[in-house]
Amino acid sequence: AQRVTQPEKLLSVFKGAPVELKCNYSYSGSPELFWYVQYSRQRLQLLLRHISRESIKGFTADLNKGETSFHLKKPFAQEEDSAMYYCALSGSGSRLTFGEGTQLTVNP
Amino acid sequence: GAGVSQSPSNKVTEKGKDVELRCDPISGHTALYWYRQRLGQGLEFLIYFQGNSAPDKSGLPSDRFSAERTGESVSTLTIQRTQQEDSAVYLCASTSRTALYGYTFGSGTRLTVV
Repeated sequence: AQRVTQPEKLLSVFKGAPVELKCNYSYSGSPELFWYVQYSRQRLQLLLRHISRESIKGFTADLNKGETSFHLKKPFAQEEDSAMYYCALSGSGSRLTFGEGTQLTVNP
Repeated sequence: GAGVSQSPSNKVTEKGKDVELRCDPISGHTALYWYRQRLGQGLEFLIYFQGNSAPDKSGLPSDRFSAERTGESVSTLTIQRTQQEDSAVYLCASTSRTALYGYTFGSGTRLTVV
């Protein structure tokens, strides 16, 4: 079975502060991890994939297999980063399992 | 098309009625997924189509739920004898090969059962 846990439903930071959205997973094999984002009144969209080792909009995420985590980080949060963030896992490549999401608010 | 299109965007129905939700994926995307998102909760997998293979129906919550897809085109999700707990946003996504390439989501259908 595969499971994704995002322990924080809500996260609030000030503009310019570092931000870390936590994601822990449970999967017996080698998973592929993703972060998706939903801005207000927009559709859910892919933010970044572990497989691509990319940095998007200043966000990065490192896969820690020992701690089974894939936390999303940004050193200096911006107001436009306010959104709902979902961590997702693919075990076999057939489909994604999503966490319950974290609502990030960046205050001015 | 340019993106994944879902219709209707909103649907209010009376308890006990049947509803049909439609998803038009990106042209050429072989894989299509349906998810349900209840208020304040995460995305719950319902069903997955990959090309002409048999669909993965393991997420359908009851036999009132069914879905069809003809080839690599439009999919319809049907909910029979709707119940209040069926109220949710139903999201459709497609991808060109596997989930590893990331989903493209539609804007969803908000279903309210009264």
